Amino acid sequence: SQTIHQWPATLVQPVGSPLSLECTVEGTSNPNLYWYRQAAGRGLQLLFYSVGIGQISSEVPQNLSASRPQDRQFILSSKKLLLSDSGFYLCAWSVKGNSPLHFGNGTRLTVT
Amino acid sequence: SQKIEQNSEALNIQEGKTATLTCNYTNYSPAYLQWYRQDPGRGPVFLLLIRENEKEKRKERLKVTFDTTLKQSLFHITASQPADSATYLCASMDSSYKLIFGSGTRLLVRP
Repeated sequence: SQTIHQWPATLVQPVGSPLSLECTVEGTSNPNLYWYRQAAGRGLQLLFYSVGIGQISSEVPQNLSASRPQDRQFILSSKKLLLSDSGFYLCAWSVKGNSPLHFGNGTRLTVT
Repeated sequence: SQKIEQNSEALNIQEGKTATLTCNYTNYSPAYLQWYRQDPGRGPVFLLLIRENEKEKRKERLKVTFDTTLKQSLFHITASQPADSATYLCASMDSSYKLIFGSGTRLLVRP
């Protein structure tokens, strides 16, 4: 069966520090991969998605970047965090086409 | 651009009653809508997908309808239980084939 791993679960970082969140998927090949952010009491905002290795689409201009160095690995990064980067970050995968998303358990990021 | 609108007010119902949550979309009619459940501090979990040519879909105590005339989907939980308490998210594909979500409706089922 397929599983998705996302870590860390919680993270507190000072303003200006770098960020690296990692997500890996097991049990499937060539998945679509996604990074979403959820502000408190708000909906999910799509940040990045990838349909293959090295293929990244950015949805909103921001302080963040994403990379897909391997087929089932998706990394969210920042060189310098801002207070506004605080939120709940969710990684997800899907098979190709109009299929449901499968989410990880998220990373709660607090920038202080 | 496509927007998904859900009632931001929490729905508070008595155990055993039917919960009905609403999802409205703007602009074009999507090929399908998806419903997810999200518990506090967890990622959303997929529940049901309904296509535009399907008027209704059921899964155990869950039922979803899709009305392209009203641009609306209704999500029903029959015989609700306290364990059904969660936030329920509606999602649709936008014109760029990416899944966009509503802000969700929180359901509270009182014992």
